[in-house]
Amino acid sequence: DVKVTQSSRYLVKRTGEKVFLECVQDMDHENMFWYRQDPGLGLRLIYFSYDVKMKEKGDIPEGYSVSREKKERFSLILESASTNQTSMYLCASSFPTGADTEAFFGQGTRLTVV
Amino acid sequence: AQSVTQLGSHVSVSEGALVLLRCNYSSSVPPYLFWYVQYPNQGLQLLLKYTSAATLVKGINGFEAEFKKSETSFHLTKPSAHMSDAAEYFCAGLSGGYQKVTFGTGTKLQVIP
Repeated sequence: DVKVTQSSRYLVKRTGEKVFLECVQDMDHENMFWYRQDPGLGLRLIYFSYDVKMKEKGDIPEGYSVSREKKERFSLILESASTNQTSMYLCASSFPTGADTEAFFGQGTRLTVV
Repeated sequence: AQSVTQLGSHVSVSEGALVLLRCNYSSSVPPYLFWYVQYPNQGLQLLLKYTSAATLVKGINGFEAEFKKSETSFHLTKPSAHMSDAAEYFCAGLSGGYQKVTFGTGTKLQVIP
C-alpha cells in the first residue's frame, strides 16, 4: 500500500512562530503537493514539487514556503504563523504521467494558530 | 488550465435512494478526472478515475461515473445509498505540464435513514 505520512495529526502554535509540517511518501513518487482545506473552499494548492529541490507555487503560496531535499520528503514551512493560517493541511504525492497519476493523501494535519 | 466545478455543496438522499453528485470540467484537452471521498477527520481516498480508456468508470463501494465529453461532465452516481456513504466527495482533475491536481469545492453527502 502507498503510504503518505504526515508528522502530526494536530498542532497548536502561537502567532509569529515558525512552523514546520513534514510529509513522507514511500512510493518513489516524483510529484508531491501541499493543500489546505477550509470549509466551503475545498482543497487549495499551496505548493507542489515535481522533483528534488524543484517547486512551483500553487494558488495560495503567500505566507508559506517549502523544502524538498530528498525525493520522499516534502516540508511545508509557515515562516511566521498567523491566525488566518488555522486550517487542515493535506499532503499528497503522485507519479507525474501515465494512467497511474492519481494523488495519494496523508491523513492531514489540523493546525490551530492562537 | 484544467478546472473542475462541483454543483451543490450539500446533497441529502434517503437510504436506498439514488446518489448523484455533479462535476463539470473545463479543459481543452482530454482530461484525467478523479473522484475522491473524505470521511470525517481523515485524508482523501480515491473512489475512481477516468483516463480515457472507457467512458463509464466503476469505482469502489458501488460508485461509478460517466465521462460525457458533449456535456463536459463527470457525474458520480450510486444506485442505492447506504448510511456509510455519508462523507464529503471531491471531483478533481489534472492540469499543467507536471500534472498538478486541482479540486472542486466538494459536496457533502448526507444519507437520511
